[in-house]
Amino acid sequence: AQTVTQSQPEMSVQEAETVTLSCTYDTSESDYYLFWYKQPPSRQMILVIRQEAYKQQNATENRFSVNFQKAAKSFSLKISDSQLGDAAMYFCAYRRTQGGSEKLVFGKGTKLTVNP
Amino acid sequence: ETGVTQTPRHLVMGMTNKKSLKCEQHLGHNAMYWYKQSAKKPLELMFVYNFKEQTENNSVPSRFSPECPNSSHLFLHLHTLQPEDSALYLCASSLFQGSGADTQYFGPGTRLTVL
Repeated sequence: AQTVTQSQPEMSVQEAETVTLSCTYDTSESDYYLFWYKQPPSRQMILVIRQEAYKQQNATENRFSVNFQKAAKSFSLKISDSQLGDAAMYFCAYRRTQGGSEKLVFGKGTKLTVNP
Repeated sequence: ETGVTQTPRHLVMGMTNKKSLKCEQHLGHNAMYWYKQSAKKPLELMFVYNFKEQTENNSVPSRFSPECPNSSHLFLHLHTLQPEDSALYLCASSLFQGSGADTQYFGPGTRLTVL
């Protein structure tokens, strides 16, 4: 069974600085998708960024980028120029591409605090 | 309204009560999901509906009963719950199940407390 591990329960960063959140996963599949979701204190979970495993190029969305290391099964999220609004729980998630199941496997999350 | 909405946002119920959670999506999606989010645990998928048909039940106790009357609405009927069922229940939707890189969009959740 696939598992997702986020080894940092909490992280903090100064406003305008850069922070990296770690995520590792375990799978025997060769093709899959990886996601980072953000859940602010208001609780609405929103997608931050998505990576297809077959793509070698790391995904980027404005200040958010990933470092996808397929061989190491690592998928870290880098937040540049951190803003107060980035404070939230961040969840790493995995989903297989075949088999019809849309089951997202989530990590336990990392709570990010942004200090002014 | 846009996106995925859930009502109520907060619910307190006794173990003998019967209540229902409602989810509505305004995105034109055909797949809907129920997740349970407990403190210090990963999100757990409970049920999946694709074009109104249940396609996944992740070994959920029968005291949770889902209903999907159409692609826009999803309910979770609750009866004789236990205190350990207290959690945040999240609804999500996506274009349709099995569509590859399809993204799931989440609602704000219902915070359930079982006394």
